[in-house]
Amino acid sequence: QKEVEQNSGPLSVPEGAIASLNCTYSDRVSQSFFWYRQYSGKSPELIMSIYSNGDKEDGRFTAQLNKASQYVSLLIRDSQPSDSATYLCAVAIQGAQKLVFGQGTRLTINP
Amino acid sequence: DTAVSQTPKYLVTQMGNDKSIKCEQNLGHDTMYWYKQDSKKFLKIMFSYNNKELIINETVPNRFSPKSPDKAHLNLHINSLELGDSAVYFCASSQDPNTDTQYFGPGTRLTVL
Repeated sequence: QKEVEQNSGPLSVPEGAIASLNCTYSDRVSQSFFWYRQYSGKSPELIMSIYSNGDKEDGRFTAQLNKASQYVSLLIRDSQPSDSATYLCAVAIQGAQKLVFGQGTRLTINP
Repeated sequence: DTAVSQTPKYLVTQMGNDKSIKCEQNLGHDTMYWYKQDSKKFLKIMFSYNNKELIINETVPNRFSPKSPDKAHLNLHINSLELGDSAVYFCASSQDPNTDTQYFGPGTRLTVL
């Protein structure tokens, strides 16, 4: 089992709809969770970090964490074409001193 | 001000050559990283340094040798380049490697012919 798993997509969502990106992780002691966005030919940039169970909202983005189910998700409301990118889930494994990345989900927002 | 910078941005070279990539961060972070992103976009850590000390070496061939002259710089030297080394290499930095956000440089696209 991979340490961090994402559906690689592509995920296609109409403009204005909600895009839902999912990620599962295998290490129960993971403490810190991150969503990065990567445009083609660019470097990953942080969208959200989440450390506690529940929801965390930042503008159109909401991260959801469920440690019991070892599941973290990212919702993008009112999706825009500029949201089209690859979204990378990353998990900090406690004590390992590193982030482990999922393989990324390619999201396309259709006008 | 660029937070994490890398040079060069593109590197095209022949098999068997030796090349270096340089990275600098001005964020005052203690930890720096090298990642390799292959053609399938999978981002995998190669090395990390904390205050100039190597803390992670992820089963990378010993043709790859990182060097950290100070905590703001982490360079990557690659000997005897192979076709399979073609990828995008990202440098990143963070304060606490267990909990903190990592900030990425712009990447170096290495093509080995």
